[in-house]
Amino acid sequence: QQQVKQSPQSLIVQKGGISIINCAYENTAFDYFPWYQQFPGKGPALLIAIRPDVSEKKEGRFTISFNKSAKQFSLHIMDSQPGDSATYFCAATHTGKLIFGQGTTLQVKP
Amino acid sequence: SAVISQKPSRDICQRGTSLTIQCQVDSQVTMMFWYRQQPGQSLTLIATANQGSEATYESGFVIDKFPISRPNLTFSTLTVSNMSPEDSSIYLCSVVRGGMNTEAFFGQGTRLTVV
Repeated sequence: QQQVKQSPQSLIVQKGGISIINCAYENTAFDYFPWYQQFPGKGPALLIAIRPDVSEKKEGRFTISFNKSAKQFSLHIMDSQPGDSATYFCAATHTGKLIFGQGTTLQVKP
Repeated sequence: SAVISQKPSRDICQRGTSLTIQCQVDSQVTMMFWYRQQPGQSLTLIATANQGSEATYESGFVIDKFPISRPNLTFSTLTVSNMSPEDSSIYLCSVVRGGMNTEAFFGQGTRLTVV
């Protein structure tokens, strides 16, 4: 019940394309869903987050779509750039303790 | 955001020894956590560092192996005890400044290699 399932494991996108990463959860008590970006040798950096009272949140090129009934949420990266190449983690919590997805390694080709 | 200083940034240790990792935050925070990230894997919560009291450990992690201290609202340490090669991981400190479901920030991590 505490799991967060993330897909795909890896993703290759052409520059300018849209990157989409999906996550699904089971615990309906979760009420905060952040996405983190991690570059090699660095700690995860908070990218964007959403709460279940909204279905979508956009910040620049990054958008979270949230489907409460399906218990799914996704990250969309518009106009993907080579600098977006990193590992992305979704997470969920209702206690402050983050439960992370398995991670998606994104490669954006120039 | 929060400025988190984690030391050391990396270390290579002999099996059977212990390493203490420090996490210093630039201002008071509500919650502090320690996570482990095994090579090529996701992050797993080790424990919640409680100020002035014993840490709260997640399933699979015990105090004897990972003793944690948090003497005040801006500082915590994690010790990896009696290390084996299986302990080779990145250990990350995380803090929450506001309520429990607000932004969590991470330090740069400590990359530990046990030989």
